[in-house]
Amino acid sequence: SQQGEEDPQALSIQEGENATMNCSYKTSINNLQWYRQNSGRGLVHLILIRSNEREKHSGRLRVTLDTSKKSSSLLITASRAADTASYFCATPMGYNNNDMRFGAGTRLTVKP
Amino acid sequence: NAGVTQTPKFQVLKTGQSMTLQCAQDMNHEYMSWYRQDPGMGLRLIHYSVGAGITDQGEVPNGYNVSRSTTEDFPLRLLSAAPSQTSVYFCASRTRQGTGNEQFFGPGTRLTVL
Repeated sequence: SQQGEEDPQALSIQEGENATMNCSYKTSINNLQWYRQNSGRGLVHLILIRSNEREKHSGRLRVTLDTSKKSSSLLITASRAADTASYFCATPMGYNNNDMRFGAGTRLTVKP
Repeated sequence: NAGVTQTPKFQVLKTGQSMTLQCAQDMNHEYMSWYRQDPGMGLRLIHYSVGAGITDQGEVPNGYNVSRSTTEDFPLRLLSAAPSQTSVYFCASRTRQGTGNEQFFGPGTRLTVL
């Protein structure tokens, strides 16, 4: 079963606007990761936030984590056409956290 | 470094055929895993390995076998292909088990079972 669920499923914005994607999960975690997937390609790791962190930045990316609500958000500021991709949240589960569970993803389209 | 490589990129099989998807990494990562990605469902873990000689099942292991004889290679075998196994398969690796370390993904193998 899926652990993370992204919202919205699809998002279309203009270049320069900000894009916000949300992820909800079901069980306790020790970290949450965001990945990007360009069409027809493998996933690329963007950022990891640990359960004792509330916010983390990496370039134009800002990730927040609310463990009380079991939710995370990914904000991409000043979006570019090259940001067009699918974005997934993922959480480790199971014994020794070896089982990584991904959500179904948010498909982001940035129009030039 | 080539990172994580997968072969073939595309494959068409008939129901009942068997085949092996190849995965190799040159980063000396202990942990390797196989996922399948179906439309609208994200990635689901099939099998994983925390080191040479050690494998374990993930969320959807039925119909697949794996082995890990070397650190570098982690092949995925389809024993008797079924249309339900039509999917895109991704191999990934990362350093040491049980942590949130970044996973590196291969480019994927698109498999169609007729």
